[in-house]
Amino acid sequence: AQSVSQHNHHVILSEAASLELGCNYSYGGTVNLFWYVQYPGQHLQLLLKYFSGDPLVKGIKGFEAEFIKSKFSFNLRKPSVQWSDTAEYFCAVNISSGSARQLTFGSGTQLTVLP
Amino acid sequence: DSGVTQTPKHLITATGQRVTLRCSPRSGDLSVYWYQQSLDQGLQFLIQYYNGEERAKGNILERFSAQQFPDLHSELNLSSLELGDSALYFCASGSGGRSDGYTFGSGTRLTVV
Repeated sequence: AQSVSQHNHHVILSEAASLELGCNYSYGGTVNLFWYVQYPGQHLQLLLKYFSGDPLVKGIKGFEAEFIKSKFSFNLRKPSVQWSDTAEYFCAVNISSGSARQLTFGSGTQLTVLP
Repeated sequence: DSGVTQTPKHLITATGQRVTLRCSPRSGDLSVYWYQQSLDQGLQFLIQYYNGEERAKGNILERFSAQQFPDLHSELNLSSLELGDSALYFCASGSGGRSDGYTFGSGTRLTVV
């Protein structure tokens, strides 16, 4: 079965710092990759997704992620974070296995941005 | 508003009881997915339905069951509740396609006392 690892459980940054959150998955076949954000007390919202084409994917709110197949990684980046980016970030993978389409989520990374 | 509606938002119930959580998917979405989010387990996939049929099962306990009705809304039934069942239960909907990104509802916070 596929799995997703997010090695950073809690990241604390100052405003304007650059962000990179790691995500690795374990599956050798075709995958679709996603990053979700969960603001305090809210539901998960899709930040960006990759399913084919350009491995550098741009999402909402200035976030981007790069799919590196050889490293089984899909790291999330943002050049300059804002206080409002404080949230929990989840990486997820979806494999093409029969008719099932469920996403497997990582354990999440809590990002705290200090003003 | 994501377009996925979950009710109720909060639920407090006693151990041993049974509850039903409801989810209405976003218009046009045929797939419904149920997830449990707890502090110690993270986001755990429970079950998927597609156009009324069960598609995939994850870490769903035998005490839990779900169904999707002809109008595509779904219900998650939790019975013989235990303290450890306290969690946020999210429903998500999608088209069911390979690149499906899901749209999540706001969740139901279940507290078992």
